[in-house]
Amino acid sequence: EAGVTQFPSHSVIEKGQTVTLRCDPISGHDNLYWYRRVMGKEIKFLLHFVKESKQDESGMPNNRFLAERTGGTYSTLKVQPAELEDSGVYFCASSPRELLNTGELFFGEGSRLTVL
Amino acid sequence: EDQVTQSPEALRLQEGESSSLNCSYTVSGLRGLFWYRQDPGKGPEFLFTLYSAGEEKEKERLKATLTKKESFLHITAPKPEDSATYLCAVLGGAQKLVFGQGTRLTINP
Repeated sequence: EAGVTQFPSHSVIEKGQTVTLRCDPISGHDNLYWYRRVMGKEIKFLLHFVKESKQDESGMPNNRFLAERTGGTYSTLKVQPAELEDSGVYFCASSPRELLNTGELFFGEGSRLTVL
Repeated sequence: EDQVTQSPEALRLQEGESSSLNCSYTVSGLRGLFWYRQDPGKGPEFLFTLYSAGEEKEKERLKATLTKKESFLHITAPKPEDSATYLCAVLGGAQKLVFGQGTRLTINP
């Protein structure tokens, strides 16, 4: 069974440009999460989808970040325009049921974003 | 605000030298405490969930324990392949994990 896949694995862009990160969760997993690790800091929650609906987007830093999950399958996270402080590793994770029930998230390998 | 603090930041051990990693937490209504392992360039990999004080879970050379204020990850007779960053996270009222910064563990042969 394929795990959570993320693309690209590494993206280098200049300040002001736009980047779109993609996540394909494990097939059948309704819950999809985005997390981010900025250098030197802990991994932090960005948002949570249940199927195509945003359940919680309280961790999104500002309106330069836009996440979508069309049809409840793959998800995209767009940063527009990118700023230097957006650099970090963006992780996607999925689970078949809510965290309260399973206690386990399946993480992708992450997309490393470098903004110059 | 939920908070997780892990110590030490980094730990070097000789193969076979047992030790413990600490995770202290403050959370409003703990619904679960999780341990993950992360290898360089990879995403976190789930190890354990602990739900209540006194609970213990074991997997190979790892054992996780939980009290009302902290969790320990005990590693017994470690091997070089146990080298990784170990992450602790808590689940409070919302469906989101709050992570600590991790402990980078190195096991020398």
